[in-house]
Amino acid sequence: GENVEQHPSTLSVQEGDSAVIKCTYSDSASNYFPWYKQELGKRPQLIIDIRSNVGEKKDQRIAVTLNKTAKHFSLHITETQPEDSAVYFCAASGGYQKVTFGTGTKLQVIP
Amino acid sequence: ETGVTQTPRHLVMGMTNKKSLKCEQHLGHNAMYWYKQSAKKPLELMFVYSLEERVENNSVPSRFSPECPNSSHLFLHLHTLQPEDSALYLCASSQDRGGRTDTQYFGPGTRLTVL
Repeated sequence: GENVEQHPSTLSVQEGDSAVIKCTYSDSASNYFPWYKQELGKRPQLIIDIRSNVGEKKDQRIAVTLNKTAKHFSLHITETQPEDSAVYFCAASGGYQKVTFGTGTKLQVIP
Repeated sequence: ETGVTQTPRHLVMGMTNKKSLKCEQHLGHNAMYWYKQSAKKPLELMFVYSLEERVENNSVPSRFSPECPNSSHLFLHLHTLQPEDSALYLCASSQDRGGRTDTQYFGPGTRLTVL
């Protein structure tokens, strides 16, 4: 089955700096890669996703890059703000609704 | 925030009890999921229902029994649980478009404690 590894497990950045979270996956058939943000005590919510026919996708301060050959994808957050503090999960799916999540990265943005 | 609802939000039960978790989605989706979230572990997929049929059972012990009576409702029946089953149980829904995975929308979760 699919295996998703996520690094780092914790990340502290100064407000205004950039944050990068990296994930690798094992199943070359995976073609959908969502990122979820989970604030303390709240449900995970999708922040951005990418499909395998695209190498990069941006949405304001958030971007995701995908390297299918190397089987890794990354989340980039620029100009970080305190409200970006949360746990971020990457995930990979090869279809048919089966999604495998990474272990999560706790991001702390220091004002 | 009201697209996927779960009840109860908190549940404390003994190992010999029988209880059920309920999930309801108001998004018109046709696929529903149960996940287990434990401290320092990834979200673990437990069950997937698509068009009211179970399409995934991720090696979950039989003390967890899912039920999907229609595309809007999903239950997780609990029986003779163990303390290590204490976790946050999250329900999610999405639209199954012929095998293509789509965005999942999560409920707020049920915090389960097994004594």
